[in-house]
Amino acid sequence: RKEVEQDPGPFNVPEGATVAFNCTYSNSASQSFFWYRQDCRKEPKLLMSVYSSGNEDGRFTAQLNRASQYISLLIRDSKLSDSATYLCVVNLGSGGGADGLTFGKGTHLIIQP
Amino acid sequence: GAVVSQHPSRVICKSGTSVKIECRSLDFQATTMFWYRQFPKQSLMLMATSNEGSKATYEQGVEKDKFLINHASLTLSTLTVTSAHPEDSSFYICSARAGGANTEAFFGQGTRLTVV
Repeated sequence: RKEVEQDPGPFNVPEGATVAFNCTYSNSASQSFFWYRQDCRKEPKLLMSVYSSGNEDGRFTAQLNRASQYISLLIRDSKLSDSATYLCVVNLGSGGGADGLTFGKGTHLIIQP
Repeated sequence: GAVVSQHPSRVICKSGTSVKIECRSLDFQATTMFWYRQFPKQSLMLMATSNEGSKATYEQGVEKDKFLINHASLTLSTLTVTSAHPEDSSFYICSARAGGANTEAFFGQGTRLTVV
């Protein structure tokens, strides 16, 4: 089983719709979780950290389910500019690489006008 | 947020030549930087950890003699791809953190290397 797994998509969603996708992780000892956004041929940028209590930032909501070992990202009222690849990043702590981070392959989201 | 600058953003080189990529933390000191490689539609894969003033730590399967890393100062790390081959063509990205593992990683803009 892959350490961090995401549905690669693409998710084709009409503008204004709500879209959600999940990311599963295999190591129950994972310590922290992030969603990064990566535009085509660009570097990843932090979208939001994911806390146990869940967190919301404008149209974006991230949640963590430790029991089922997944995190989710919900985007409401999607905009054309939301089109990107969303990377799930998990800090596996001592079980991860030297940087402690393990990246999913990303979920490709396309918002259509 | 903190800024990490990576240069060049794009490079095309002939097979057999060497290419140097620079990664600078512009507004913070990074005792540790990380180098990743990303192939199309693949996840970021950590290649090595660059430690200021000491030898880099390479991940399993990454040839240290091929990917030379130098971390000369607290704000600069360089990756040199030696004797590049077409299979080395990839997107190389560096990152740095101002704090511990639970803090945000700031990424350079990435370097798209094409070896012809």
